[in-house]
Amino acid sequence: QQPVQSPQAVILREGEDAVINCSSSKALYSVHWYRQKHGEAPVFLMILLKGGEQKGHEKISASFNEKKQQSSLYLTASQLSYSGTYFCGTSGSRGGSNYKLTFGKGTLLTVNP
Amino acid sequence: DSGVTQTPKHLITATGQRVTLRCSPRSGDLSVYWYQQSLDQGLQFLIQYYNGEERAKGNILERFSAQQFPDLHSELNLSSLELGDSALYFCASSVAGSNQPQHFGDGTRLSIL
Repeated sequence: QQPVQSPQAVILREGEDAVINCSSSKALYSVHWYRQKHGEAPVFLMILLKGGEQKGHEKISASFNEKKQQSSLYLTASQLSYSGTYFCGTSGSRGGSNYKLTFGKGTLLTVNP
Repeated sequence: DSGVTQTPKHLITATGQRVTLRCSPRSGDLSVYWYQQSLDQGLQFLIQYYNGEERAKGNILERFSAQQFPDLHSELNLSSLELGDSALYFCASSVAGSNQPQHFGDGTRLSIL
């Protein structure tokens, strides 16, 4: 089942903060976050795993609430380069060699000067 | 540059035709994933291969098929094309299947006339 992202869109001024949420109706093992700029490929930002392990960029933070089946991506002191569509991808699988990610519809973030 | 190569970048064809999209994963990556991205549906997972074997399947139509070859490159075959198949098709790769970042190619834009 497709995770639900909120908000659908957000407009910021440079230097402001934003939070993007991702909720699932199913139990989650991991949440992936990607950013896609217009006309480009999605780019990996972060993975959060059940149990607290995180892999990703130093300047981006995120949380994963396993009980609520939610994840939030925190973008602080936003820069113009943060603009793009942010997708969360979720998996209920612990792993192994098959690994299906289900992506949300995305959150369009626009940072203005 | 993600290291994932997709060809061709653009394809224009007519309804009823058949096309083949090609993907070369990053060096060392064993898993290949195919996604379809349309404006209203976001990133839809189609299928995953790991080291030559199909490992996970999403909402892939029966008219679509894929394979991964011994050199790990993959092909997505789309047949009996319909107008609704017009979309951006992404290939991604990861080291293995389990909880690893997926690295996306630049995509193939398919337009059905």
